[in-house]
Amino acid sequence: DSGVTQTPKHLITATGQRVTLRCSPRSGDLSVYWYQQSLDQGLQFLIQYYNGEERAKGNILERFSAQQFPDLHSELNLSSLELGDSALYFCASSVAPGQGHEQYFGPGTRLTVT
Amino acid sequence: ILNVEQSPQSLHVQEGDSTNFTCSFPSSNFYALHWYRWETAKSPEALFVMTLNGDEKKKGRISATLNTKEGYSYLYIKGSQPEDSATYLCAFRPSGYSTLTFGKGTMLLVSP
Repeated sequence: DSGVTQTPKHLITATGQRVTLRCSPRSGDLSVYWYQQSLDQGLQFLIQYYNGEERAKGNILERFSAQQFPDLHSELNLSSLELGDSALYFCASSVAPGQGHEQYFGPGTRLTVT
Repeated sequence: ILNVEQSPQSLHVQEGDSTNFTCSFPSSNFYALHWYRWETAKSPEALFVMTLNGDEKKKGRISATLNTKEGYSYLYIKGSQPEDSATYLCAFRPSGYSTLTFGKGTMLLVSP
């Protein structure tokens, strides 16, 4: 158990809908990262937050947005869902975005868009 | 776009065999190389963070080496056991960035 929690574990929804994925980092970790794992793709970095502020952006679609709250939990919002958004979404956390700190991964949310 | 390649894509060995896989990454602007182990239905688990050229790290039967000048890292498993079956991921972190670019992984299956 990494100490990172994600809810829900599974989500099934229809095209065009909007969903929110939630992540709570390990106690003491200030940085949160979101990744997408699709079929035949490696883990794709989406976005990073540090202490409530956006720190880095990766291959995140405009239909997707995220935020990190004062209690350091983070939410990833996915809207106007398409079939191709079906994937495993991971959240990871680290103490701080520096010095080679390990990222600790949550159990993931499996999103299925039908 | 950073290119992080892992080979082989998959590997099937017998219990007791030793094995190794490769991670290739850009040789310029290096900051750190991470190795993760990802078992099916679980989350990726950190194995090593390597930062110095020539680094060698060990955890039990698993070890890793790093060559930043030529842009590769090897992961070795000595005397593979069925519980070593997992996907092994490497991730490259360039200098000046806090994000990781992952390879697609090497899927290892160890048969009893």
